[in-house]
Amino acid sequence: DQQVKQNSPSLSVQEGRISILNCDYTNSMFDYFLWYKKYPAEGPTFLISISSIKDKNEDGRFTVFLNKSAKHLSLHIVPSQPGDSAVYFCAASALANNNDMRFGAGTRLTVKP
Amino acid sequence: DADVTQTPRNRITKTGKRIMLECSQTKGHDRMYWYRQDPGLGLRLIYYSFDVKDINKGEISDGYSVSRQAQAKFSLSLESAIPNQTALYFCATSDFGGFAYNEQFFGPGTRLTVL
Repeated sequence: DQQVKQNSPSLSVQEGRISILNCDYTNSMFDYFLWYKKYPAEGPTFLISISSIKDKNEDGRFTVFLNKSAKHLSLHIVPSQPGDSAVYFCAASALANNNDMRFGAGTRLTVKP
Repeated sequence: DADVTQTPRNRITKTGKRIMLECSQTKGHDRMYWYRQDPGLGLRLIYYSFDVKDINKGEISDGYSVSRQAQAKFSLSLESAIPNQTALYFCATSDFGGFAYNEQFFGPGTRLTVL
């Protein structure tokens, strides 16, 4: 049973435009959410996170929004660059579960020049 | 030098063979994890260890075992490999510090194929 879902396997955007990647979760115990980015032949690398006490966290071109009532979070990349092309994983953890992290299936973002 | 290393990077084996995947880290982290990645399923946790004396099963531990030989080393074993264990395996580490330290640092992965 997948507790973290990324329903879009792929997304293609034009360079300079906004990329919006979505993630839904089912476990209301999750209290910390992260986005990881993965290039081919490499391990995932941490991108940005948000705790459940916030609804927005921004880091440069990357912003994560959390809507707890809808159990939904999204990652916005503005402006998108070709180097952002990668697979993005949404992840969630619960302090009550020893921070056992659950990942979504990933969304492959392609940014076209 | 990479902070989290995995050996081997690629392995092809046959059904029924015993396989060990190794992970080493130089980050000084107490917590280590093993995940597998399958297409359409993302990363799933196999086992994790919060220190040398602590081993915990993850979401999909059946068919796997682990050994935490030292703070820096965490190995994953497949006692009798089967084809549906063909996947990309990742080791990861994280610091301990509660809520704010959930970021995990991943190794480059081991691609395992079981024929």
